[in-house]
This record gives sequence, C-alpha cells and structure tokens, in this order.
Amino acid sequence: AQSVTQLDSQVPVFEEAPVELRCNYSSSVSVYLFWYVQYPNQGLQLLLKYLSGSTLVESINGFEAEFNKSQTSFHLRKPSVHISDTAEYFCAVSDRSGGYNELIFGAGTRLAVHP
Amino acid sequence: KAGVTQTPRYLIKTRGQQVTLSCSPISGHRSVSWYQQTPGQGLQFLFEYFSETQRNKGNFPGRFSGRQFSNSRSEMNVSTLELGDSALYLCASSGGRMGAGELFFGEGSRLTVL
Repeated sequence: AQSVTQLDSQVPVFEEAPVELRCNYSSSVSVYLFWYVQYPNQGLQLLLKYLSGSTLVESINGFEAEFNKSQTSFHLRKPSVHISDTAEYFCAVSDRSGGYNELIFGAGTRLAVHP
Repeated sequence: KAGVTQTPRYLIKTRGQQVTLSCSPISGHRSVSWYQQTPGQGLQFLFEYFSETQRNKGNFPGRFSGRQFSNSRSEMNVSTLELGDSALYLCASSGGRMGAGELFFGEGSRLTVL
C-alpha cells in the first residue's frame, strides 16, 4: 500500500526567510502528486500538482515543488514566506493506474511564520 | 461558480446515535469523495461516488455508508456512533480526469460524539 511521509510535523520560520517542507512517498508505481493547504477551520485547498511533464511545478502564490522520481520525493519550497502562509500543508499521492479519485495524505506539516 | 457545500458545519451527538452529513458538489462535478480528518489518524479516505455508484471504498467499518443522488449531491451516514468517530468530515468533488485527483474540498462538518 502506498504511504506518504512528511518529515517535519512543525516548521517555524521567520517572515521573508526561505522554507522547504519535505515529502516522500513509498510507491514505485506511477503516481500523481499534490500539495494541499489548510487554514484554520477551513477545508483543503489545492496548492499545486504534478501530473506529468516538467518535474518542477509552481503555484500562483510563489510556492514550487519538484518531483524527484529516483528519490520518490516531492518537496515544497518557497524562497520568501509571509505571515499569511501560516497554515498546515499536506502532501498527497494518487495512483495513476487506479482510475479513482482517492488521495493518500501525509500527516501534515504545520508551518508557523513569525514576524 | 459556487464551491463545495457541506451541511451541517457543526454537530454534537451522543454515543449510539446516528448522523447524516450532506454534500453538494461544484456544479457539473460527478465525483464526490469523503474523508475523515482526526488529530491521531490524519486524513483518511472513506469512499468515492461517481454517477450514483460507489466506485471505491476505504478501510472503515460498515457503520460508515454513503450514497449519491442523480444531481450528484451526496450524503454520508454513520450509525451507532462511537467516541472515536469525532472528527472533521470533508467532502470533495472532482470534474477532472479520473485518477488525476484534483479535488475541491468543502469546509467540512465537524462531528463531536459525547
């Protein structure tokens, strides 16, 4: 069975500093990869996704993630964070061959941006 | 375009009762999935419905059930509630490629079981 490991449960960082949230997945089968963000008392919002093509994907608010097949990783980065980026971030994987909309989520990383 | 709507947002039940949660997907989306979110277990897949048929099911007991109507609205039901069923239940809809998993989530129904 697939699993997703988010290596850090909490990441504190100062405003305008760079940040990396790490994500590794276990499956060797072809997968789709996602990062979702959850603000307090809200549902999940898709931040970015890797379906195929370029291994570097970007979001509209400055986040980027790189798919590394050999290391089975999909780390999320931002060169300069803002207070408003404080939230919980979830990495997720979906099996390409399954044909279902089932996501396997990591445990989440709580990003706390301090002034 | 309206997002995914879940009702009720908050509810409190006692052990042994049952509960029904409702989800209205984004217009035109035919796939509706349900997830349970708890501090201990994180986000876990419950089931997915597509065109009124359950297409996939997670590893939950039979007390958890769902259905989808012809207008794609979905309900999930939990019978004989246990304390451990306290959670945020998230509904998500998708209109994209099957398996591509671009899910749009509602804000959730927070269930507290006393």
